[in-house]
Amino acid sequence: EAGVTQFPSHSVIEKGQTVTLRCDPISGHDNLYWYRRVMGKEIKFLLHFVKESKQDESGMPNNRFLAERTGGTYSTLKVQPAELEDSGVYFCASSQMRAQYFGPGTRLTVL
Amino acid sequence: AQSVTQLDSQVPVFEEAPVELRCNYSSSVSVYLFWYVQYPNQGLQLLLKYLSGSTLVKGINGFEAEFNKSQTSFHLRKPSVHISDTAEYFCAVSESGSNYQLIWGAGTKLIIKP
Repeated sequence: EAGVTQFPSHSVIEKGQTVTLRCDPISGHDNLYWYRRVMGKEIKFLLHFVKESKQDESGMPNNRFLAERTGGTYSTLKVQPAELEDSGVYFCASSQMRAQYFGPGTRLTVL
Repeated sequence: AQSVTQLDSQVPVFEEAPVELRCNYSSSVSVYLFWYVQYPNQGLQLLLKYLSGSTLVKGINGFEAEFNKSQTSFHLRKPSVHISDTAEYFCAVSESGSNYQLIWGAGTKLIIKP
């Protein structure tokens, strides 16, 4: 069974540019989560999808972040325009029950 | 959970020695507890979980953890570490009745000395 995959693994962009991160969850997992770890800080929850619906987006930092989950399958997280403080590692996880399984993460660097 | 505390940012230990990584949490409701491990240049891997039942849970790679409700702790232990255990270990908690979002500790880097 394939695990959670994320693309790209690394992204380096300039302040003001747009970046889109993608997450493909484990097949059949209805729940999809996004988390972020800013350097030196704890991992923080961003949002939660159940199938294609946003269940909780209380962790989204501001309206420069937009997440979608097309047809309840893969999810994208767009940052537009990117700011320096958006740099960090973005993790995606999926679950069917309580245990969440994570992808390798996308390291985003905003210069 | 309101917070998760991993008191030790780094734990150096000699190879083949035992290790304990500490995790405490605060919450007013029932919780589910997890330990994740991140090996160098890799993603987060589920090490073990406590959902219910026996308070002593065993995970992969010889790790185990014990849930202590009265002390609100979920410490991770291994009787004998190996160089391959070098990694960062994260304690995480989700609350019952929530959307199961994880609240994370700051992580503990386990450094194995030869």
